[in-house]
Amino acid sequence: SQKIEQNSEALNIQEGKTATLTCNYTNYSPAYLQWYRQDPGRGPVFLLLIRENEKEKRKERLKVTFDTTLKQSLFHITASQPADSATYLCALDIKAAGNKLTFGGGTRVLVKP
Amino acid sequence: KAGVTQTPRYLIKTRGQQVTLSCSPISGHRSVSWYQQTPGQGLQFLFEYFSETQRNKGNFPGRFSGRQFSNSRSEMNVSTLELGDSALYLCASSLDSPSNQPQHFGDGTRLSIL
Repeated sequence: SQKIEQNSEALNIQEGKTATLTCNYTNYSPAYLQWYRQDPGRGPVFLLLIRENEKEKRKERLKVTFDTTLKQSLFHITASQPADSATYLCALDIKAAGNKLTFGGGTRVLVKP
Repeated sequence: KAGVTQTPRYLIKTRGQQVTLSCSPISGHRSVSWYQQTPGQGLQFLFEYFSETQRNKGNFPGRFSGRQFSNSRSEMNVSTLELGDSALYLCASSLDSPSNQPQHFGDGTRLSIL
C-alpha cells in the first residue's frame, strides 16, 4: 500500500542550528511534493513546492530536496529561531488517485533559545 | 486579499445529529478541498470540488458529503454523527489542481461529538 512517513518524534534543536526533517514515501511516483507548517489550533501554511525534475528548492532560510530514487525529501531550516517551532507536514500528489494531495503525519520541531 | 474563512470555528453536537460546515475560499480560487484532522490519523482528504463539481473523493463513508456553489463557496455535511467524527475539519483553496499548486488553508472548524 502507499505510505508517507515523517518522523513522529519531536525534533528539539538549539537556536541557530540547522533543523533537518525527512519525508519518506513508498509505492508512489509523485510529480510534486509540498511542505507545510502548522501551528497549534491553526490551519497548515504552505511553505514550498518542488517538482520531480527539481533536485532542490530554496526560500529564505528554508531548503527542500527531492530524491525520487531514494523516495525521500529533506526539509532544512537553517539558522533556526524559536519562532520556527511548529509542526511541519509534507504532502504528495497521487496520480493514480486523480492527483489528490496526501499528507504525512508531520514532525514537531521545538527550537530552544 | 482575504484568506480562507471557515465557519463556525467551534461546534458541539450529539451522536445522531447532522452538521453543516462552511468554507469561503480566496477570491478567484476555484478549487476547494476538505480534510479531516485527528491526532491518530493526521490530515485525511475528504473531497475536492472544482467549478461546482466533485472532482476527487477520499475514503470516507457516504455520511460525509459536500457541495460547491457558483461563487466557489463550499459546504460539507456530515449526517448521523458518530463519536469518531470529532475532529478538526479544514478546507483549503487553490486556483486549480491541489496537487501542483499551493493550498491555502482556513483555520478549521473544531467539531466535538458528545
